[in-house]
Amino acid sequence: AQSVTQPDIHITVSEGASLELRCNYSYGATPYLFWYVQSPGQGLQLLLKYFSGDTLVQGIKGFEAEFKRSQSSFNLRKPSVHWSDAAEYFCAVGTETYKYIFGTGTRLKVLA
Amino acid sequence: KAGVTQTPRYLIKTRGQQVTLSCSPISGHRSVSWYQQTPGQGLQFLFEYFSETQRNKGNFPGRFSGRQFSNSRSEMNVSTLELGDSALYLCASSLAGGSGDTQYFGPGTRLTVL
Repeated sequence: AQSVTQPDIHITVSEGASLELRCNYSYGATPYLFWYVQSPGQGLQLLLKYFSGDTLVQGIKGFEAEFKRSQSSFNLRKPSVHWSDAAEYFCAVGTETYKYIFGTGTRLKVLA
Repeated sequence: KAGVTQTPRYLIKTRGQQVTLSCSPISGHRSVSWYQQTPGQGLQFLFEYFSETQRNKGNFPGRFSGRQFSNSRSEMNVSTLELGDSALYLCASSLAGGSGDTQYFGPGTRLTVL
């Protein structure tokens, strides 16, 4: 079955620390993978996407993600977190039936 | 280029009523998708439209329906509202809606059913 798993519901990091948010997917075909961020009461903003080619993808706001086919993972990273990064982060896979399948999200809290 | 717009942003309804939400996609985008977001179920796919045709529908009761107009604007309707329909309804648009097509989301409509 097609699915996306984000194992961490909540993550707390100190400002300036590094961040890694985990995402695992299950999808039979070549995956098209996305990371979105959602601030409270807002819609989803695209951070980055992976279609093919280089497995390390750069996004906006200093985020990057690495696609590892052998591990079915697409983890999001940032070397130094800012207080404004506090939000909820969603990993998604695009499917051939015109819909995205989303993970349950990881809520990030940043300590000053 | 203007982003995806959704109206209204907030709605309060009572059980048994019906509601219509509107979505205007990014100019040039012909695919519009709708998602329901709740704390318990997360982001759930409702349906997707392309050129006024519904191409896929999620696992929701028939009370949830939608349509798309020739200018790609879309509406979704929920009839006979239930308390459990309280949610953030998100609309997303993309060029053609394929698996690798990037979806751009609107700010959502917050529906509260009393």
